[in-house]
Amino acid sequence: AQSVTQPDIHITVSEGASLELRCNYSYGATPYLFWYVQSPGQGLQLLLKYFSGDTLVQGIKGFEAEFKRSQSSFNLRKPSVHWSDAAEYFCAVGDNTGNQFYFGTGTSLTVIP
Amino acid sequence: EAGVVQSPRYKIIEKKQPVAFWCNPISGHNTLYWYLQNLGQGPELLIRYENEEAVDDSQLPKDRFSAERLKGVDSTLKIQPAELGDSAVYLCASSSDHFTGELFFGEGSRLTVL
Repeated sequence: AQSVTQPDIHITVSEGASLELRCNYSYGATPYLFWYVQSPGQGLQLLLKYFSGDTLVQGIKGFEAEFKRSQSSFNLRKPSVHWSDAAEYFCAVGDNTGNQFYFGTGTSLTVIP
Repeated sequence: EAGVVQSPRYKIIEKKQPVAFWCNPISGHNTLYWYLQNLGQGPELLIRYENEEAVDDSQLPKDRFSAERLKGVDSTLKIQPAELGDSAVYLCASSSDHFTGELFFGEGSRLTVL
């Protein structure tokens, strides 16, 4: 069965510190992987995606993610967090048609000064 | 370019009352999705449209939920009658024909059933 696991419900980091949000997936075919961000009261916005090729992908707002097939993981990273990064982050897995999207339960990020 | 527009943003009703949510996708996006987002959870697909056709409604509780997308543009999601457990955020999203992996989401409609 297809599923996405985000083991960290909530993470708190200091502004300027590095960040890593974990994501593990289960998918029967070649996975297409995504990270979305949701600011309070807003819809979800795509941060980055992985379809194929280089396993380290760059996204918007200084985020990157690394696909590790052997670990079924797609962790999101940022070298230096800004206060504006406080939001809910969702990992998702799907196919290459847009017909299937499975979202994780999300990780809430708090940034402290 | 205007994004996905949803209304109302907030709705409070009593149980057993009907409620409807409206969504206008990005112009030219033929694929439209309705998602349910419960508190502390990720979005879960309710229904997906390709133009006017509902191509995936397997997760839509058809006893009380209905949706339509007349003319293949805007869409309405209805709940009748609403139950306490329907309190959630209803998200609409759209994507272009040439799938790039990006869903464009509206801000959502938050429903509270009392």
